[in-house]
This record gives sequence, structure tokens and C-alpha cells, in this order.
Amino acid sequence: GAVVSQHPSWVICKSGTSVKIECRSLDFQATTMFWYRQFPKQSLMLMATSNEGSKATYEQGVEKDKFLINHASLTLSTLTVTSAHPEDSSFYICSARVRTTGSYEQYFGPGTRLTVT
Amino acid sequence: GDSVTQMEGPVTLSEEAFLTINCTYTATGYPSLFWYVQYPGEGLQLLLKATKADDKGSNKGFEATYRKETTSFHLEKGSVQVSDSAVYFCALSGIDGNKLVFGAGTILRVKS
Repeated sequence: GAVVSQHPSWVICKSGTSVKIECRSLDFQATTMFWYRQFPKQSLMLMATSNEGSKATYEQGVEKDKFLINHASLTLSTLTVTSAHPEDSSFYICSARVRTTGSYEQYFGPGTRLTVT
Repeated sequence: GDSVTQMEGPVTLSEEAFLTINCTYTATGYPSLFWYVQYPGEGLQLLLKATKADDKGSNKGFEATYRKETTSFHLEKGSVQVSDSAVYFCALSGIDGNKLVFGAGTILRVKS
């Protein structure tokens, strides 16, 4: 259980175009999902918290107009990188929060590698 | 703010060697502590967790004990295998589970 998928797994786009990445919880509902960015050989950086039916909460320094997040249902959150530039090339990972006994856990998707040329 | 510090890697071991990856944390209150593993080209997988002091998380031969007095959550395995080669991340979250704070990650390479 608790499987999270991402689509696409990798994408190459031209500078100035927009790219949408989907994150789905396959066998459970998630009111809260998270979007992370991982640079090569570095740790994950939280970009934003996505809440179903409300606006996402962005971390300091993350441009909300550039990284559009939509959490339209309890099983789907999307991240759209608008007007992509080469510096947006990165590994984007989503996770879904699940309530467990006494705590919360996050289940991660396999990630999406974005390359902007 | 909350933070996690992990030992730097890469850590290179021979098969069947003992593994320790150190992790210490700084947090307000009593966070939950996690170890995640990332295999090449894949996303993160939860390896083990502990939610309160003196709890021991264990999975696939890996263990870590939540030490409040030393604010540590060191990962150990008695006998590593080549298939354990991956990046290991220590992380914490607060009571609301709203944010995971990750350490920098430690690359583990196991040679046969």
C-alpha cells in the first residue's frame, strides 16, 4: 500500500516552455502532498506544501508564479514549471502525507527528471 | 530552526562489514525521526522510523535508536550487502508532520 506515482518520469523541454508534472496517490487519499527539488548529489529541498482544495504554501525563496501547484483532488497534485529555463533543470520529487499511529509519514514518488535546453 | 546533520560520505565498505551512519538533530519539542534510502535513479523509500525517545526502528537488518539525551538517530547494520549501496537520508518531522527536514544524505558503496 501507500504507492505514489509521478508522471512523466523524465522530460526534456525547450527554454521558455511550460512543463506539467503529475503526482498521484494510487491506493489512498492524501489531503496533503509535498513537492521537493533535488540537485545532483544533494539533499531534498522542500518547495511547497500542496493542500487539496486550497492554495499551496510555498517555502521562502520559491517563486509561486513560476512553480504553479494545483491539488484538485484527494489523489492528484500537479506542479507546472512555467517559462522554464536551464537553471530549472533538476529532479522533482513529490510525496503524500499519511496519518499513522502516533505520527505522520510521507510516501515518495519516484521523481521526475526535468532537463531544460 | 530544525536541522539534521549526517556524516559525510561516501562510505565505502566491503560486503559483510558493519555499518554505522551518524545522524544528529536539532529540533524544538519531540520530533519523529526517519531514515530514508534512495537507490540510483529512484525516489526515496522509508527505511525505518521512531516517534519517541528510546524507540528503536528496524527494517531489513537496519536499526536506529532515538536517543533524546544525545539528540541522535544513528543508522546501523551488522552485515552489509552490495545491494545496500544507495544514498541514505536522515530526516525529522514535527508533531504536525507537515515538514520533513532532511540531512545532506550519505552515499554508501558496498564492494563485493
